[in-house]
Amino acid sequence: EADIYQTPRYLVIGTGKKITLECSQTMGHDKMYWYQQDPGMELHLIHYSYGVNSTEKGDLSSESTVSRIRTEHFPLTLESARPSHTSQYLCASSESPHYNEQFFGPGTRLTVL
Amino acid sequence: QKEVEQNSGPLSVPEGAIASLNCTYSDRVSQSFFWYRQYSGKSPELIMSIYSNGDKEDGRFTAQLNKASQYVSLLIRDSQPSDSATYLCAVLRMDSSYKLIFGSGTRLLVRP
Repeated sequence: EADIYQTPRYLVIGTGKKITLECSQTMGHDKMYWYQQDPGMELHLIHYSYGVNSTEKGDLSSESTVSRIRTEHFPLTLESARPSHTSQYLCASSESPHYNEQFFGPGTRLTVL
Repeated sequence: QKEVEQNSGPLSVPEGAIASLNCTYSDRVSQSFFWYRQYSGKSPELIMSIYSNGDKEDGRFTAQLNKASQYVSLLIRDSQPSDSATYLCAVLRMDSSYKLIFGSGTRLLVRP
């Protein structure tokens, strides 16, 4: 069973606010990921990290930023939230870069008014 | 052409039947393949991984891989209403990124 946590689970916020979505894992996994998924739609990779001080942009352009200062922690920040950012944000982690079994957190459902 | 293709469904099967979910991929050198189950409003849950040609069985689930045909499938035996969910096929991209590429998913409905 994967131990990966996301907070908050639900967030409703006004336009222009700065928000940080938290993701933590206790498995010591080096690789971590952020995906965005609208209801009934595909998963889109927005950021990933190979390890501490490593961050890469994913396949979907995103106005968010990430940091990886500690192995277990991979927060995602939106400097100025907009209604177009309304979506579900999913964090995942994996141990091996070659087999890459990814385990997902419960997700954060973000609504920007 | 998408890197990973799945029929969106819904695939409707009666309780107790075998559900067969299919996925094709475009990258010939892919080596790692995964099936995730996602209930509505929840996050994806890994149910099977397969790396070699042939079948891999885990309980009621069997994953089948045919690299020559670039085809991977998931069979669910004795389908239950609780199996009703969207099933995502994922393929590891074999470049320096080692990113997982997800299909859009097949919605499975198991009728009681």
